Amino acid sequence: EIMMTQSPVTLSVSPGERATLSCRASQSVSINLAWYQQKPGQAPRLLMYGASTRATGIPARFSGSGSGTEFTLTISSLQSEDFAVYYCQQYNNWPLTFGGGTKVEIK
Amino acid sequence: QVQLAESGGGVVQPGGSLRLSCATSGFTFSNYGMHWVRQAPGKGLEWVAFIRYDGSNKFYADSVQGRFTISRDNSKNTLYLQMNSLRTGDTAVYYCAKTGGILHYFDYWGQGILVTVSS
Repeated sequence: EIMMTQSPVTLSVSPGERATLSCRASQSVSINLAWYQQKPGQAPRLLMYGASTRATGIPARFSGSGSGTEFTLTISSLQSEDFAVYYCQQYNNWPLTFGGGTKVEIK
Repeated sequence: QVQLAESGGGVVQPGGSLRLSCATSGFTFSNYGMHWVRQAPGKGLEWVAFIRYDGSNKFYADSVQGRFTISRDNSKNTLYLQMNSLRTGDTAVYYCAKTGGILHYFDYWGQGILVTVSS
């Protein structure tokens, strides 16, 4: 099973600032990596797939990068609606696995 | 627009059974693989099971293998999860999710349904 490790666990950021979230895989997943955003009481929402392709309707302030074992999700200028928990997920191997999440909170 | 709606959750005793349903609309259900993903209270996401678009192939997480069965009825645009021998550790919100094509990321999710296993 591929282990996905996200860091930091919590990220405190002021509105308008840049946020950088990391995700590391225990073995290579190529670019088969997705990012999701989840707000309290809501289902997750797909942000990014293929490590760097934005899903439909996702604003350009979200960007993804990386391949192999190291991945990054960057939010260029945090808006109030971006404060949430973010999960990475690999789909290169079975079983599909998620990272433990990064909570982006208001500083 | 794509819609997924889970039903069938509730409270069940350890060792009991429950069947979840996921009614879908807004896309050609028979063309897509489907998944179940769960989230224990206050915890992260855990993938549970997958079924191929035609039902010919299924995969399960080790934690549910042999106890849960995923199935689908393409004539009813509905996905199912039969859960047997339930344990307290199965308590979670269960989401059905649609694959983003042939790759196994989840482009649409249902709103989730709570399953509580408790005596």
